[in-house]
Amino acid sequence: DTGVSQNPRHKITKRGQNVTFRCDPISEHNRLYWYRQTLGQGPEFLTYFQNEAQLEKSRLLSDRFSAERPKGSFSTLEIQRTEQGDSAMYLCASSLFGQGSFGPGTRLTVL
Amino acid sequence: DAKTTQPPSMDCAEGRAANLPCNHSTISGNEYVYWYRQIHSQGPQYIIHGLKNNETNEMASLIITEDRKSSTLILPHATLRDTAVYYCIVKDSNSGYALNFGKGTSLLVTP
Repeated sequence: DTGVSQNPRHKITKRGQNVTFRCDPISEHNRLYWYRQTLGQGPEFLTYFQNEAQLEKSRLLSDRFSAERPKGSFSTLEIQRTEQGDSAMYLCASSLFGQGSFGPGTRLTVL
Repeated sequence: DAKTTQPPSMDCAEGRAANLPCNHSTISGNEYVYWYRQIHSQGPQYIIHGLKNNETNEMASLIITEDRKSSTLILPHATLRDTAVYYCIVKDSNSGYALNFGKGTSLLVTP
């Protein structure tokens, strides 16, 4: 059981730079989710994919954020022109039915 | 999805039962109660869920009151590794895929 993997685990960037995170779901899981978690808060939903189709997006996902899942397997989350407020843990989860398994997250620090 | 209320923090002695309450007084008939936990620096982990009946698995028991307005997650013999933030989430399976985690209860298990 390899679980959900996310890379990188940590990313430090300067304000204004673009960053991209990758999520590899559990194989055969057709559902994939992205969440964001800031310090002291619970995870907040960003977006959901079923296979390669992006079916749900939160209003938290501003136009600087874009997520893709081109072949219905791994997914990428890109943040353009990063701001200090983007500093957070970015969590990915996958599922086949019902409850998902979460990855360890990517911690982003924007200086 | 209905809103939940949880105490911000609780303590429990190792080996004793940890009883974590959750209030969801506005829950509707087709909404499930889910519990997740998040150990420090890890992604959330699914624990258990239920609709009306009490549920038990290898991790915990879920007790839902008859009017479904509140529930209690029970860890029968808490260990130090159960120290985590516990999230109670109410969700209708037809209302999209996002989980609304809230702030949860920070459980500290002490030796």
